[in-house]
Amino acid sequence: GEDVEQSLFLSVREGDSSVINCTYTDSSSTYLYWYKQEPGAGLQLLTYIFSNMDMKQDQRLTVLLNKKDKHLSLRIADTQTGDSAIYFCAESIGGGSYIPTFGRGTSLIVHP
Amino acid sequence: GAGVSQTPSNKVTEKGKYVELRCDPISGHTALYWYRQSLGQGPEFLIYFQGTGAADDSGLPNDRFFAVRPEGSVSTLKIQRTERGDSAVYLCASSLNEDGEQYFGPGTRLTVT
Repeated sequence: GEDVEQSLFLSVREGDSSVINCTYTDSSSTYLYWYKQEPGAGLQLLTYIFSNMDMKQDQRLTVLLNKKDKHLSLRIADTQTGDSAIYFCAESIGGGSYIPTFGRGTSLIVHP
Repeated sequence: GAGVSQTPSNKVTEKGKYVELRCDPISGHTALYWYRQSLGQGPEFLIYFQGTGAADDSGLPNDRFFAVRPEGSVSTLKIQRTERGDSAVYLCASSLNEDGEQYFGPGTRLTVT
């Protein structure tokens, strides 16, 4: 099975909050990431969290980590149409290896 | 400043042909990565360079794939005897050092007919 799993689609109304969920299997994961991919553009790192943290907030973005359940979530407050993109969860084990293993991505569709 | 650039943006080739994909990293970035992204999938790691040397090539699928970075800057991913299953978007990323944030290029879409 996949190391990082995400649901494939999420549809929300503009102004609502979006929550994108991810589960991972590697208990030695040290860094967990959220990337954004817009059509025709490269992947962009949105935020990351160390495995010894439970939460990280950055403006409209909130990352929650449940290490016991190996569950990561990204909450986007006041979702805008410009947030429509594919969001990838990724993990790396650190300690000299910072190469992320990506999930399949969640396609977020924001409608007016 | 300029980001990571990749050329060509699109490449169509026939099965069995040889292709080269180029990546220009951000100036001064010592680490360079190649990934492959198939339709509906996340990027999969291929190879990572630190300077001129390949620090980790464990993601290369077979010996038809090879990459070089002779001067520690531009990198070329080379695919011999292309197969239809090689069709994907090939992404390049660079980072200031091995544990720094990776900045991705827009990718090269390779189609093997």
